[in-house]
Amino acid sequence: AQSVTQLDSQVPVFEEAPVELRCNYSSSVSVYLFWYVQYPNQGLQLLLKYLSGSTLVKGINGFEAEFNKSQTSFHLRKPSVHISDTAEYFCAVKGYGGSQGNLIFGKGTKLSVKP
Amino acid sequence: GAVVSQHPSWVICKSGTSVKIECRSLDFQATTMFWYRQFPKQSLMLMATSNEGSKATYEQGVEKDKFLINHASLTLSTLTVTSAHPEDSSFYICSARESGIQPQHFGDGTRLSIL
Repeated sequence: AQSVTQLDSQVPVFEEAPVELRCNYSSSVSVYLFWYVQYPNQGLQLLLKYLSGSTLVKGINGFEAEFNKSQTSFHLRKPSVHISDTAEYFCAVKGYGGSQGNLIFGKGTKLSVKP
Repeated sequence: GAVVSQHPSWVICKSGTSVKIECRSLDFQATTMFWYRQFPKQSLMLMATSNEGSKATYEQGVEKDKFLINHASLTLSTLTVTSAHPEDSSFYICSARESGIQPQHFGDGTRLSIL
């Protein structure tokens, strides 16, 4: 089984400042990793994913994340945030194959960008 | 990118009625569809997983007689909340996946309010 921990429930930040949203996971098998963003009253939109290969993955809207297997982390970063980045961000993991193939979500981090 | 359409986006109805929510994959064939429930300021809770042409697999604690799921085609899944009560009020989100390694794509959600 897998689990996901998003260490910060809320992250306030000023516009144009850098931000890091933390995500740690645990799993007994290899995993795929995802970050999703949810704007108010909407579903989830895929920001980026790690399946294999380079541990630094780039996504939409200027976001990137780095997979660190030894630290079982997949932190999301953006060098300069905009007001429009205000949203809820969910980290998710998915085990390889079979019954371990469903997405497991963290509890989410609410990013609030202030002018 | 892959698009998942969910309808309706908002439903208000009286206690005791049944409500049907549709989830369609518009530009890909979804071999697997997922239904989630999200309480305010919380993460997504997986309710059930359905593969086209098969019975849905419900998560522990989810009443399958209350939340009827049909996945009759590769592009359509429906969730019917039967005899809805105020405690069923929530935000329901569907998700679809083309194959096991592909990421899940989410609909925009349905806000269900039972009076």
